[in-house]
Amino acid sequence: QLHLLESGPGLVKPSETLSLTCTLSGGSMTTTPHFWGWIRQPPGKGLEWLGSISYSGNSYQNPSLRGRLTISVDTSKRQFSLELASVTAADTAVYYCSRHAGEYVVHPSDLWGQGALVTVSS
Amino acid sequence: SYVLTQPPSVSVAPGKTAKIACGGNNIGTKSVHWYQQKPAQAPLLVIYDESDRPSGIPDRFSGSNSGNTATLTISSVEAGDEADYYCQVWDSNTDHYVFGTGTKVTVL
Repeated sequence: QLHLLESGPGLVKPSETLSLTCTLSGGSMTTTPHFWGWIRQPPGKGLEWLGSISYSGNSYQNPSLRGRLTISVDTSKRQFSLELASVTAADTAVYYCSRHAGEYVVHPSDLWGQGALVTVSS
Repeated sequence: SYVLTQPPSVSVAPGKTAKIACGGNNIGTKSVHWYQQKPAQAPLLVIYDESDRPSGIPDRFSGSNSGNTATLTISSVEAGDEADYYCQVWDSNTDHYVFGTGTKVTVL
């Protein structure tokens, strides 16, 4: 059974960098090619797609993040990561990692992590 | 940027049909995915490519897409269908995903 699990600090200070890692268990990231994504949800609000990356490192990002986002993948560790720079309180959210259903980013997210709450506060 | 608009809420009696609209400019030309999210849970894919169902999703869930509106239909609604529902499309003009504003379905 495949599982995704987000990990990282639950509290980040304003202006610092938010870093999260998503680890895949129960399978390989390279047996069949997939895109891997990050989505967030501020408390009481809707979903926002942040970005997605392929197993080979090809990535897409939400332009609203204005270059603050870095997504990387390490298939040998079965992990992909998110770094969001210069955070403010508006970045407080539950961050989800996900797997796209296939090798193209247009495939939907068919596997999700449980989500990790990250609060931006001093 | 591309905007997807959903009604904030839909109420439906058990056994009846719920229809959730997702409005966007020429959305009929795009592939639409739908997610169900229950409180304190991660989203769950219920419809992809406007009308296909993932394995394990009951056939009470169906989708359609034409013109400026995509629709998720839930037939014979059950109490367990109470959740927030989000549509999603890939905007090929800007190469990024857009989520709809979300619809809370309440089973009366």
